[in-house]
Formats: sequence, C-alpha cells, structure tokens
Amino acid sequence: NAGVTQTPKFQVLKTGQSMTLQCAQDMNHEYMSWYRQDPGMGLRLIHYSVGAGITDQGEVPNGYNVSRSTTEDFPLRLLSAAPSQTSVYFCASSYELAGGAEQFFGPGTRLTVL
Amino acid sequence: GDSVTQMEGPVTLSEEAFLTINCTYTATGYPSLFWYVQYPGEGLQLLLKATKADDKGSNKGFEATYRKETTSFHLEKGSVQVSDSAVYFCALILNTGNQFYFGTGTSLTVIP
Repeated sequence: NAGVTQTPKFQVLKTGQSMTLQCAQDMNHEYMSWYRQDPGMGLRLIHYSVGAGITDQGEVPNGYNVSRSTTEDFPLRLLSAAPSQTSVYFCASSYELAGGAEQFFGPGTRLTVL
Repeated sequence: GDSVTQMEGPVTLSEEAFLTINCTYTATGYPSLFWYVQYPGEGLQLLLKATKADDKGSNKGFEATYRKETTSFHLEKGSVQVSDSAVYFCALILNTGNQFYFGTGTSLTVIP
C-alpha cells in the first residue's frame, strides 16, 4: 500500500495563477479531506468528502474547489492564487468517521504564492 | 462550537524528563479524542486515541486519559527521548460528526 500520496511536494506560483494539488489513496477509504497548516494556526479544514460525488466545505473553503469523481482521488484546485494561500497543504483519508477511526495523512505540499 | 485548545509551545526538555502537554476541548456532543504527532518534514501520524470517557490511550510510552469532567485529554510520557522531538496535535471528532478539529500544535524539542 502506498497510503496517501500527494503531488507535487513543492510549488511556487505567481499571484493569479491556478493549479491543482493532487491527492490519492489506495486504501479504499470513503472519507477524504484537505487541510492547510499555518504557523500558530494548527490544521484548518478546507474541504472534505464522505464518498465519491459528495463534497462539503470546511472551516476555510474560500479560494479552493474540490471534486470527488472516484473513491481514490480528491484533487484540490486553487482558482486564482493569492499570497494568503501560501501554506503547507495536507490531504488525509479514513475508512469511516464514527468510532474514532484514524486519519491517514499524506506527506504534504508546500505552496508559496508570490 | 467544537474546538480544541492545547498548551502553547515550544517545549524544550532534557532527555529522560517527564512530559505533559495539556489539551482541553469544547464539544457540542460526544467526541472521540486523538493525539497526532508530526516529525520534521512529514505528515501527521496517529499517536493514540480514546473514544469514550475514562478511556486511556497509550502508544510508544505516551499516555492520555479522556476526562469528561474536566474536558481534558492531556498527553504524558514518563521519560522522553531525543527521538520524541516533534510537533504534537490534539484533535477531536464528534461521534456523530464529519469534521475533525485540531489544536494549534505543541512543538517539543528534547536535548541530550
């Protein structure tokens, strides 16, 4: 099992550019989510999905879009990058939410917006 | 709303010292509680969890007890090692919820 994979590891964008952060998992998990990690802020939920075709907003969704066409993939799209989106982005998955199921995290994507 | 508050860092300890990282929570329902650890340059990994009041989670010498009366889930380890240097996150999810809530993280450095 590769677990949760994310690409790219690093990315530099100019303000206004768009891009897609890729996330994939091979554990057949229904629940997937995207977080951003900023100093002093911990992890904040951007968007999540409870299954293919179902997505919902988290705490900080503005400026980001997601879709979930397959169980395996959950890409995060930045529509028009802004310096405030400079952060480290983590994708996570779990097989369920109830009963305290563990979330598995990817290695992260470090994004810098100039 | 639901939230987690954990002690500010950074924390610096000598090897073999006792560690406590405080975590308290606010929940509108019944939560499961977690501690995750993040080593430098990596994603988060589950360290331990507890799913109901008075449960004790333990792993790798770390322990935390789910205290409903004080809404707390403090992380402890009796003797830290240099390899424990990392950032520790407290987190919760309601048993009927669909979102995890993380604390801000506490950075631990253990010096030889």
